[in-house]
Amino acid sequence: KAGVTQTPRYLIKTRGQQVTLSCSPISGHRSVSWYQQTPGQGLQFLFEYFSETQRNKGNFPGRFSGRQFSNSRSEMNVSTLELGDSALYLCASSTATGYVNEQFFGPGTRLTVL
Amino acid sequence: DAKTTQPNSMESNEEEPVHLPCNHSTISGTDYIHWYRQLPSQGPEYVIHGLTSNVNNRMASLAIAEDRKSSTLILHRATLRDAAVYYCILRGSGGSNYKLTFGKGTLLTVNP
Repeated sequence: KAGVTQTPRYLIKTRGQQVTLSCSPISGHRSVSWYQQTPGQGLQFLFEYFSETQRNKGNFPGRFSGRQFSNSRSEMNVSTLELGDSALYLCASSTATGYVNEQFFGPGTRLTVL
Repeated sequence: DAKTTQPNSMESNEEEPVHLPCNHSTISGTDYIHWYRQLPSQGPEYVIHGLTSNVNNRMASLAIAEDRKSSTLILHRATLRDAAVYYCILRGSGGSNYKLTFGKGTLLTVNP
C-alpha cells in the first residue's frame, strides 16, 4: 500500500506570495492532519480534516488554511508569506479521527521563504 | 493540553536495551500515552501507545506506571537505525484533545 505523499517536496517563495501544498493520504484513510516543523518551535499542529470538514485547529493565524476533497486528498494554503513561515510542512493521515488511531506521516514539503 | 517531560538526549550502544523515560504528572484518566519517533530527514512514525497496561509490539514495549504519571519506552536491542528523536505524547479522548501535541522529544544516539 502506498504511503502518504506530499507535493512538492521543496518550494522556494518570496515574502508576500502565497503557496499551496498538497497531500494524498493512504488509500482508505479519511482523516488528514497538517503540522509545521521548525527548529525553534518544533512540531506544531495546524489543523485536521475528516470527511471534508475541519475537525480540529491549532493556534495559527488565518493566513493558514486548508481543505479536503471528496477523495480525501488535502491541500494547505498559506497566504501573504512571511520569513517565519519557512518550515517543513508535514501531512499525516489516519483511518478515522480520534485519539487512538495511529497517524502515518508523509515526508513533508520543505518551504523556504526569501 | 497535558504536558510531558522527557530528557533532551540519551545515548546507547548498539544491541543494548534502551529505556526512554517520560513524565506526565498531569495526565487525565482518559489520556492515552503515544510514542512517535522521527528519524533524520523523515516524517514522524508511530511506535506504540497505551492507556493503563503495559504494551508490546514488534518495535518496542511501553511500560506504564501504576499511577500513570510516568511511562517508559523500551527498545529491547538498539540498532543504528533506532537513532532518532522520540516523542512522548498524550492524546485525550474528548473534544479537541486528540490532536498530537509534540514536545521537544529525546534525541537518542546509538553508538556502534
